[in-house]
Amino acid sequence: EADIYQTPRYLVIGTGKKITLECSQTMGHDKMYWYQQDPGMELHLIHYSYGVNSTEKGDLSSESTVSRIRTEHFPLTLESARPSHTSQYLCASSENRGIDNEQFFGPGTRLTVL
Amino acid sequence: GDSVTQMEGPVTLSEEAFLTINCTYTATGYPSLFWYVQYPGEGLQLLLKATKADDKGSNKGFEATYRKETTSFHLEKGSVQVSDSAVYFCALRPGGSEKLVFGKGTKLTVNP
Repeated sequence: EADIYQTPRYLVIGTGKKITLECSQTMGHDKMYWYQQDPGMELHLIHYSYGVNSTEKGDLSSESTVSRIRTEHFPLTLESARPSHTSQYLCASSENRGIDNEQFFGPGTRLTVL
Repeated sequence: GDSVTQMEGPVTLSEEAFLTINCTYTATGYPSLFWYVQYPGEGLQLLLKATKADDKGSNKGFEATYRKETTSFHLEKGSVQVSDSAVYFCALRPGGSEKLVFGKGTKLTVNP
């Protein structure tokens, strides 16, 4: 079983609030990812990291930002939340090896912005 | 660009029915192919994978064969159970890339 954790699991906040979604993994994986999953279930990569101090934007433009100060921790921040940010956010990680390394997913954070 | 097209759901079956979820892809080079499953309220879990043409991935009674000639990776199971109810995602990783490209997901409901 994958050891990747996300908190909170559910979050309801008002417009304009700053929020941070936490993601931690205890597997020592170098690579970490954030996906946004819309209500229609489709997943879009919004950020990824190859290791400490490495962050890259994904395929879908996002107003969120990420940081990678420690290997095990990859938080995502929204400076000013809006209703359009309402979505499920999934964090994942993978080992730094090979071409078929599995991505392990956390349980997700379901964000609702009122 | 790289893309994955999977059959739209929802799919509703009776227990012990045969399941096929179609998946085709467009990619340059030699991608790796994956099926992920998402149970209600949870994140995605890898169900099976195949890394080269003619490879067959299998797990928990599910199978999928990497068909390069038809650019397909269809998911099959001979006899589904109620516990298989979930959303299934086909995905590819382009050769030399770390990113996964997902299909839109197919929701499966199995009734007793």
